[in-house]
Amino acid sequence: EAGVAQSPRYKIIEKRQSVAFWCNPISGHATLYWYQQILGQGPKLLIQFQNNGVVDDSQLPKDRFSAERLKGVDSTLKIQPAKLEDSAVYLCASSLSSGDTYEQYFGPGTRLTVT
Amino acid sequence: SQKIEQNSEALNIQEGKTATLTCNYTNYSPAYLQWYRQDPGRGPVFLLLIRENEKEKRKERLKVTFDTTLKQSLFHITASQPADSATYLCALSGGGYQKVTFGIGTKLQVIP
Repeated sequence: EAGVAQSPRYKIIEKRQSVAFWCNPISGHATLYWYQQILGQGPKLLIQFQNNGVVDDSQLPKDRFSAERLKGVDSTLKIQPAKLEDSAVYLCASSLSSGDTYEQYFGPGTRLTVT
Repeated sequence: SQKIEQNSEALNIQEGKTATLTCNYTNYSPAYLQWYRQDPGRGPVFLLLIRENEKEKRKERLKVTFDTTLKQSLFHITASQPADSATYLCALSGGGYQKVTFGIGTKLQVIP
């Protein structure tokens, strides 16, 4: 079974530039999550999709971050404009269904450096 | 506000001993608790899930306990090996579609 795919693996941008991350979840997984993990901290949920609907985006900085999940499969997370404090690893995860609390499967993450 | 506490200091133990990691929480009534392992440069990997009505869960050399009165979970690795060296994350959720909240993780180093 293929795991969660993410691209790019690394990205370096200057502040005020924009960046986009892509995620392909495990086939059949209805729930998709985007997390931000700052060095030395645990993953922080940014947005959670159930199929292509948003379940939770309470911690997403909506003035600069946006995410979409078209057709309930792939997802993209965008930052525009980026700030220095956005430097972090952005993790995508998927699970069968959050309604019954299935475990999450994580991708390798995208390491973003904002200079 | 909800708070999850894991020992941010690294835990060093000798190979063959039992490692015990702690996860405490406040202002939270989780329906379940999960433990994940994270290696450097990789995403977390699911290890075990325990529900609020369960006291203990085991999987091979791993054991998790969940005490909702003490608001604490203990994660044990018996007969530890250098390959067990990693950061271990505790994660809680209220269940249903409520989001999962992660602790900062505890770094375990098993010394040969």
